[in-house]
Amino acid sequence: KQEVTQIPAALSVPEGENLVLNCSFTDSAIYNLQWFRQDPGKGLTSLLLIQSSQREQTSGRLNASLDKSSGRSTLYIAASQPGDSATYLCAVRGGGTGTASKLTFGTGTRLQVTL
Amino acid sequence: NAGVTQTPKFRILKIGQSMTLQCTQDMNHNYMYWYRQDPGMGLKLIYYSVGAGITDKGEVPNGYNVSRSTTEDFPLRLELAAPSQTSVYFCASRPGQNTDTQYFGPGTRLTVL
Repeated sequence: KQEVTQIPAALSVPEGENLVLNCSFTDSAIYNLQWFRQDPGKGLTSLLLIQSSQREQTSGRLNASLDKSSGRSTLYIAASQPGDSATYLCAVRGGGTGTASKLTFGTGTRLQVTL
Repeated sequence: NAGVTQTPKFRILKIGQSMTLQCTQDMNHNYMYWYRQDPGMGLKLIYYSVGAGITDKGEVPNGYNVSRSTTEDFPLRLELAAPSQTSVYFCASRPGQNTDTQYFGPGTRLTVL
């Protein structure tokens, strides 16, 4: 059974810092990995999606990397801003069919960027 | 284009009551999903649908039922509510098999007392 872990559970940084969020998964037979942002009281917004054949994806100040063989992904946020404060979740999609191909979510990292 | 909408936003139920959580999407997406998110936990899949008339169980389906009579709507039914069903429920949709990005609704916060 796939398990997804995110470390740290919470992180507070001053504005302007670069930071890295970590995600690890136990079964390397994944189809893809996604990073989501969740604001309080709201749904999830997809930030980046990395296919299993890819090593990284970039969008603006965000860069996500994937090392499938070691079961790890990182989300790098450059020059953090208070507006980046949110919970960040990673989710992996299994490579099988049926429920096995559905998303397995981590518990998230709650990020606070202070002024 | 409203995306994925969910009603109600909040609800308190007594043990044994039943209710339906509504989910509607206006993007003509084939795939729809119901998740629950318990405090400090990741999302867990309850049920999903790959098109009108087709539904299937996810990871935690017990105590819930779904139907998909139209492309737009995917209601989630709770029968005989229990305290263990206290959670935040999210509905999501995605266009189809070739796109993995899911679009989420704002969630319904349900408390069962």
